[in-house]
Amino acid sequence: AQKITQTQPGMFVQEKEAVTLDCTYDTSDPSYGLFWYKQPSSGEMIFLIYQGSYDQQNATEGRYSLNFQKARKSANLVISASQLGDSAMYFCAMREDLSNFGNEKLTFGTGTRLTIIP
Amino acid sequence: DTGVSQDPRHKITKRGQNVTFRCDPISEHNRLYWYRQTLGQGPEFLTYFQNEAQLEKSRLLSDRFSAERPKGSFSTLEIQRTEQGDSAMYLCASSSLTGNQPQHFGDGTRLSIL
Repeated sequence: AQKITQTQPGMFVQEKEAVTLDCTYDTSDPSYGLFWYKQPSSGEMIFLIYQGSYDQQNATEGRYSLNFQKARKSANLVISASQLGDSAMYFCAMREDLSNFGNEKLTFGTGTRLTIIP
Repeated sequence: DTGVSQDPRHKITKRGQNVTFRCDPISEHNRLYWYRQTLGQGPEFLTYFQNEAQLEKSRLLSDRFSAERPKGSFSTLEIQRTEQGDSAMYLCASSSLTGNQPQHFGDGTRLSIL
């Protein structure tokens, strides 16, 4: 089974509107972390936001917020007031078994290509 | 605060040749990671170092691949006897040892095998 599933290969959103990018995950570990990264066409991966499985509140970073629904195993990224510069690939990633400091790898989804329309 | 630096940005080589990539992490970061990203996919984990110790290797890292971080600072990833299937973007990332810090990525090295 896929550990990270991003079901939206592409999305088109009008500038200034909010957009939600979906991410569901699969793990049996009680302790895990979820990350969102942005990858513009230039190629670099830019960290956006992090949510730990034990965090009581949904993470927020500026215009980015994470809609974390633990029981549904979903961690959707919400971008408010979208801008033209938000056009990029967006990847959801998970690190499992946070108590094991030897387990460091991130598992990524296949990404969603977001295009902001002026 | 300089970010993760990778060199070269692009590498074109013939099948069967050896290639080596370099990664300079953020200076205070103890952990260094290598990932591979093929077209239309998310990055896939290859290997990870804590200081100079290589602590985890993916099954994707065949015996033609070797990574080193000899002094716990920069790292190199070597691919011997390159094959067509090695064509990909090779991404390096680093993170600090403190808590659940995010991995910060470099711009990547794009490898094309002719």
